Amino acid sequence: KAGVTQTPRYLIKTRGQQVTLSCSPISGHRSVSWYQQTPGQGLQFLFEYFSETQRNKGNFPGRFSGRQFSNSRSEMNVSTLELGDSALYLCASSLEQGARSEQFFGPGTRLTVL
Amino acid sequence: AQKVTQAQTEISVVEKEDVTLDCVYETRDTTYYLFWYKQPPSGELVFLIRRNSFDEQNEISGRYSWNFQKSTSSFNFTITASQVVDSAVYFCALSEAPTGRRALTFGSGTRLQVQP
Repeated sequence: KAGVTQTPRYLIKTRGQQVTLSCSPISGHRSVSWYQQTPGQGLQFLFEYFSETQRNKGNFPGRFSGRQFSNSRSEMNVSTLELGDSALYLCASSLEQGARSEQFFGPGTRLTVL
Repeated sequence: AQKVTQAQTEISVVEKEDVTLDCVYETRDTTYYLFWYKQPPSGELVFLIRRNSFDEQNEISGRYSWNFQKSTSSFNFTITASQVVDSAVYFCALSEAPTGRRALTFGSGTRLQVQP
């Protein structure tokens, strides 16, 4: 079974631009969560989608948004990029909503904002 | 609010030594899940174990073992006879269960370096 895939793997943008990251969950998984990892703040939860609906959201500004499609693939968008948005963005998928099943993480997208 | 503390920032051992990674958590929930993940240099988080708050049995999987103690709010991870391939950053994480919320609260991670 293929794992979680994320595209692109690396991205370089400049301040003020916007970016869209993509995540394809494991086949059959309906829950997708996004996390941001930075050296200063560590791993922080962004949001979770289940059956195309946002179920939970972390403490991030409105510049961070996401969506999920009917095939469970998910995208996250960051508008008006700031230098502090440079991070590794990790996507995780799981079979069920909630903590009853394990989350499997993708390799991440490393975003650099110049 | 939930909180996970991994006080050990970095640990360096020589191959074949045993090493224990500490994890202390805080939560007001009576039902919760605890996790350990491994992050090798490639960046991908690899799931190691999940433990729910009602199951305090220790678990052993090969060279890995976990000690869950609710009385001290700790969920420590021991690697026996460490190997160079164990070098990675290890994260402990906590998740609420009753509300069905997915969010994992991660500790700051412990970087383990196993020297040959």
